[in-house]
Amino acid sequence: AQRVTQPEKLLSVFKGAPVELKCNYSYSGSPELFWYVQYSRQRLQLLLRHISRESIKGFTADLNKGETSFHLKKPFAQEEDSAMYYCALRGNYGQNFVFGPGTRLSVLP
Amino acid sequence: GAGVSQTPSNKVTEKGKYVELRCDPISGHTALYWYRQSLGQGPEFLIYFQGTGAADDSGLPNDRFFAVRPEGSVSTLKIQRTERGDSAVYLCASSLGPPGGVPTDTQYFGPGTRLTVL
Repeated sequence: AQRVTQPEKLLSVFKGAPVELKCNYSYSGSPELFWYVQYSRQRLQLLLRHISRESIKGFTADLNKGETSFHLKKPFAQEEDSAMYYCALRGNYGQNFVFGPGTRLSVLP
Repeated sequence: GAGVSQTPSNKVTEKGKYVELRCDPISGHTALYWYRQSLGQGPEFLIYFQGTGAADDSGLPNDRFFAVRPEGSVSTLKIQRTERGDSAVYLCASSLGPPGGVPTDTQYFGPGTRLTVL
């Protein structure tokens, strides 16, 4: 069965510090992994997906199939990065998504 | 342009009642998804439409839940005999194309409907 875990419910870092939001998954095939973000009073939106191999707002994420992880990283956190972050997986057949429980990132001044 | 809209934004009902939740996707988007988000959890997939047909309804928890998209645009999620456990935020998302097509499969989410069953 598809499963996504995010071990931290809350992560607090100071502005300018590096940040890493952890995501692990279980899936028997080759999944596609995503990070979604929800800023305060805004809608859930796509941040990045592994297949695009891009950096968005300074964030990157690398799919590690050996460790079944897709951790989200940013070298220097900004206060505006404070938000709820969800890791999500879509299986081989490209249909439904499985979301993790989310991690709330708080960037302190 | 206009994003995905959902009505009502809040719905309070009594146990056992019937409710309908509406989703207006972005114009031209062929794919539409429904999710349920309980407090402290991530969104949970319910159903996916491609056009008018339900391509995947494996996430519907039981036969009290039903969704339609008769003209391939607006969708309605229907819940019969509501239970207190149905209380959650119901999210709708739409994408230009079906899953697997990058970037046309990017999902755009609505603001959600908060359902409270007393």
